Amino acid sequence: AQSVTQLDSQVPVFEEAPVELRCNYSSSVSVYLFWYVQYPNQGLQLLLKYLSGSTLVKGINGFEAEFNKSQTSFHLRKPSVHISDTAEYFCAVIRNYGGSQGKLNFGKGTKLSVKP
Amino acid sequence: DAGVIQSPRHEVTEMGQEVTLRCKPISGHNSLFWYRQTMMRGLELLIYFNNNVPIDDSGMPEDRFSAKMPNASFSTLKIQPSEPRDSAVYFCASRSFDRAGTQYFGPGTRLTVL
Repeated sequence: AQSVTQLDSQVPVFEEAPVELRCNYSSSVSVYLFWYVQYPNQGLQLLLKYLSGSTLVKGINGFEAEFNKSQTSFHLRKPSVHISDTAEYFCAVIRNYGGSQGKLNFGKGTKLSVKP
Repeated sequence: DAGVIQSPRHEVTEMGQEVTLRCKPISGHNSLFWYRQTMMRGLELLIYFNNNVPIDDSGMPEDRFSAKMPNASFSTLKIQPSEPRDSAVYFCASRSFDRAGTQYFGPGTRLTVL
């Protein structure tokens, strides 16, 4: 089975500082990887995803993530955060069947708190 | 596209009452998921369907919970009888097989059981 570990439950950071949210996955087969964001009192929204090809993936709101197969990581980064980035971020993995009929396995989430 | 639609958005009920949560997935999507989110337990997958057929219900906490998907455009999650520990936000999500696993979430139903 595939699993995800988000190493930090909370990350406080000052506005305009860079941030990295860490995600490591475990799988013996090929996988797809995702980052979702959940703003307060809202559902989860897709931030970016890695399916294949370039290991650097760019998403919405200036976020990007790098797939590192040797380190089984998919860390999320942003060079300069805004107050509006305050949210909970979830990393998720699913087995690559060549289609998608299985279930996403989510990490426990990282709460990003951006302070002025 | 209207996205995933959930109703009601908020539900307050008393212990022992039956609760029914509803979900309309995005048109054309093949899979539907029900999640529960609480502060203590985080995001939990309760059950998911592929082509209206339940595939994995191992996350359903107990027999008080049941889910149905009578057709491709509608699903319900029922709790009978409800208990205070069922208080949570319940999310529905849908996915198309050709979207490489991208799930689209609804806004959620906040359930409070008194």
